Amino acid sequence: DTGVSQNPRHKITKRGQNVTFRCDPISEHNRLYWYRQTLGQGPEFLTYFQNEAQLEKSRLLSDRFSAERPKGSFSTLEIQRTEQGDSAMYLCASSSTTGTGGIPTNEKLFFGSGTQLSVL
Amino acid sequence: GQNIDQPTEMTATEGAIVQINCTYQTSGFNGLFWYQQHAGEAPTFLSYNVLDGLEEKGRFSSFLSRSKGYSYLLLKELQMKDSASYLCAVDTDKLIFGTGTRLQVFP
Repeated sequence: DTGVSQNPRHKITKRGQNVTFRCDPISEHNRLYWYRQTLGQGPEFLTYFQNEAQLEKSRLLSDRFSAERPKGSFSTLEIQRTEQGDSAMYLCASSSTTGTGGIPTNEKLFFGSGTQLSVL
Repeated sequence: GQNIDQPTEMTATEGAIVQINCTYQTSGFNGLFWYQQHAGEAPTFLSYNVLDGLEEKGRFSSFLSRSKGYSYLLLKELQMKDSASYLCAVDTDKLIFGTGTRLQVFP
């Protein structure tokens, strides 16, 4: 396994169109995260999964955004009715959790190369 | 709320030492990560601190004080290729990132 894979690398779309991105995590990783990053900013948390369960979704995420991880392996992020403000790099990351006293803690996150979205 | 602060930009000279500070206030703390990100690329892992103290790894070291909500990344013997953004991130079950510190290394 060579790491976290994201497709496509670049996506240009017109305002109002729907787009879908795919992320294939490192195979033995149980956690999968989606982040959004704009120029000069750090990655902003969107949502994350533990296996197939979506554990948290950012309050900043509007209902136009939806993510799935149906079999606990790959994940998709869909944006409906795109707006120009959605233009950003969308990063996927995966990790495995280890338990200490029953509390899972992240091992380091491995990031994919991202999908750069441009909404015209 | 979640708040992670780090300087926006820093400059340094090749061969020098630079310290990048990070302060945080978060609901929950499992550990603190530092990532390096070159322009147009994904972040790559540098270090992880869960206990107080200094973790050294080659030219890079990272320090954590949980009681003060404070960490720093120390880069020694700077090289031109160290010019990048350095991201501080707190693990609260998910990683919360600061805005990043853009470091420019000059010859």
